[in-house]
Amino acid sequence: DAKTTQPPSMDCAEGRAANLPCNHSTISGNEYVYWYRQIHSQGPQYIIHGLKNNETNEMASLIITEDRKSSTLILPHATLRDTAVYYCIVRPSNTGKLIFGQGTTLQVKP
Amino acid sequence: KAGVTQTPRYLIKTRGQQVTLSCSPISGHRSVSWYQQTPGQGLQFLFEYFSETQRNKGNFPGRFSGRQFSNSRSEMNVSTLELGDSALYLCASSFEGIGELFFGEGSRLTVL
Repeated sequence: DAKTTQPPSMDCAEGRAANLPCNHSTISGNEYVYWYRQIHSQGPQYIIHGLKNNETNEMASLIITEDRKSSTLILPHATLRDTAVYYCIVRPSNTGKLIFGQGTTLQVKP
Repeated sequence: KAGVTQTPRYLIKTRGQQVTLSCSPISGHRSVSWYQQTPGQGLQFLFEYFSETQRNKGNFPGRFSGRQFSNSRSEMNVSTLELGDSALYLCASSFEGIGELFFGEGSRLTVL
């Protein structure tokens, strides 16, 4: 399974964009990039996923480099409620198996 | 629609006992996967069931087992509990393992 590398922690000012990077240099052609977040021992919450193209939904944007070896999750206007651990995961499309790394703890500050 | 439901939410056991945790997936979802979360090891994949068959398995000892019923509900069992089994056990469901996984709130197990 491909592994991901994320910075352990990041800070962001409330109202600013939060840009969370992820390296996945060993990603395979059939593996998607998924982002989840976990707020203090709740179940992880799905944010967004993509294969090659950039993706956007109501929560965030996902930017994947052309070589697919890295990606960035963008929260356009971070709020205090976005404080959480963010996990970047790569997985094949047809499995419920997710390999979680240590994630990035995002602290949004007023 | 109703989310993923896990029961019980909290439980306390003693070493050597066994425990069974239950997970009801979102209606229509046939894939159920289980995860263990501890402060030291983080989130680790236990196993995945699809249409009553185990499709993937993580690196856990045989004391950890699971099953899935015809209505897609799943149970996991841990026998001969050890102190290190204290953890948050999370269940996730998805439509045939495709797309996003929806997680429940978890069952927090404490082993004394």
